[in-house]
Amino acid sequence: QKEVEQNSGPLSVPEGAIASLNCTYSDRGSQSFFWYRQYSGKSPELIMSIYSNGDKEDGRFTAQLNKASQYVSLLIRDSQPSDSATYLCAVNMISFSGSARQLTFGSGTQLTVLP
Amino acid sequence: DGGITQSPKYLFRKEGQNVTLSCEQNLNHDAMYWYRQDPGQGLRLIYYSQIVNDFQKGDIAEGYSVSREKKESFPLTATSAQKNPTAFYLCASSIFGVQYFGPGTRLTVT
Repeated sequence: QKEVEQNSGPLSVPEGAIASLNCTYSDRGSQSFFWYRQYSGKSPELIMSIYSNGDKEDGRFTAQLNKASQYVSLLIRDSQPSDSATYLCAVNMISFSGSARQLTFGSGTQLTVLP
Repeated sequence: DGGITQSPKYLFRKEGQNVTLSCEQNLNHDAMYWYRQDPGQGLRLIYYSQIVNDFQKGDIAEGYSVSREKKESFPLTATSAQKNPTAFYLCASSIFGVQYFGPGTRLTVT
């Protein structure tokens, strides 16, 4: 069974700190990786995508990918209370039936930024 | 205004009844998806469709059915065979492998 693993948290950081969210995946052939933010009761919102090893920065967000270690992370700099949400890691993996690649989601990490 | 719409936002049904959830997109995306999310869990794929008149089962398709007669529309039916359909249902569409989600429908079956 192909898997995407995240620490469920909750993760609490003070306002202004760096929040670090981690994700590991089991399919070595995966090529596409995504981070979604989900506020309570709402649908997921795409915040980052990454396809190559290394870092990708977008504003206060940095995604880091290491395919050799099968590890992808999201750093949030200068965390704000509005960043409090569940962050879902999604990886494009071989499907359960083995017939195609599809997005597999982790169970999410709940982040709370304390004022 | 481009986007993905799901209706209704909340849906209540009695056990044993079929229920259909609507998903429409005007983004001109070819692929569409249905996911189910249970409390504290990630998203699980129910069905997906890459083109009109074609769809594939996901990981938890049992008790659900779909149709894709138009590019813009991908309705999902939870049949009476689905033992516990109470959950948050999310529709998504994709372009170049990137998925975007609708606002979701919260289904409660009693």
